[in-house]
Amino acid sequence: SAVISQKPSRDICQRGTSLTIQCQVDSQVTMMFWYRQQPGQSLTLIATANQGSEATYESGFVIDKFPISRPNLTFSTLTVSNMSPEDSSIYLCSVGQSAKNIQYFGAGTRLSVL
Amino acid sequence: GQQLNQSPQSMFIQEGEDVSMNCTSSSIFNTWLWYKQDPGEGPVLLIALYKAGELTSNGRLTAQFGITRKDSFLNISASIPSDVGIYFCAGPDDKIIFGKGTRLHILP
Repeated sequence: SAVISQKPSRDICQRGTSLTIQCQVDSQVTMMFWYRQQPGQSLTLIATANQGSEATYESGFVIDKFPISRPNLTFSTLTVSNMSPEDSSIYLCSVGQSAKNIQYFGAGTRLSVL
Repeated sequence: GQQLNQSPQSMFIQEGEDVSMNCTSSSIFNTWLWYKQDPGEGPVLLIALYKAGELTSNGRLTAQFGITRKDSFLNISASIPSDVGIYFCAGPDDKIIFGKGTRLHILP
């Protein structure tokens, strides 16, 4: 499986500010995804990060709030914009192994918004 | 969309006990995945199942892909403290769908 590094591992931010989360993979992968995990909840897919084109967002998530970049096959960023306390969550990056329908996850970024 | 129902939501057990949890769906899945999430970490894949009726083991963990393709079971034998965490079932559709998780606690 791929080694996935996320930065930062945690942050405490003021409302109205933005935070960019980085996801680095140790090998080239076709599929990268961003998830949100609210406290005590399961994982919710935010978007699929597409290399060389705009990300594909799930219902309830929009590009203005969660802009995503995917400049190459090993790196992606997720920005949480104009944050409010409701954005306090764990944000997780994952990579897909399509042949086996499997995804592997980074350790996550724990975000608290004051 | 598809939903996965996991039960129980939480379990409180004694060290050394066996654990059983399950996941059901209203629709058929062709793959079942089981993940474990330790506190402060991302989910880690434990077992992947690809065939109806398949029984797969990974150490003390055993998972089965239900014959109807609408359910899966995960068993943990002789639990130890490091088994504490949240266990998620997941099934790929057009995207991967996760259950709400089973929280395993081990009583001192």
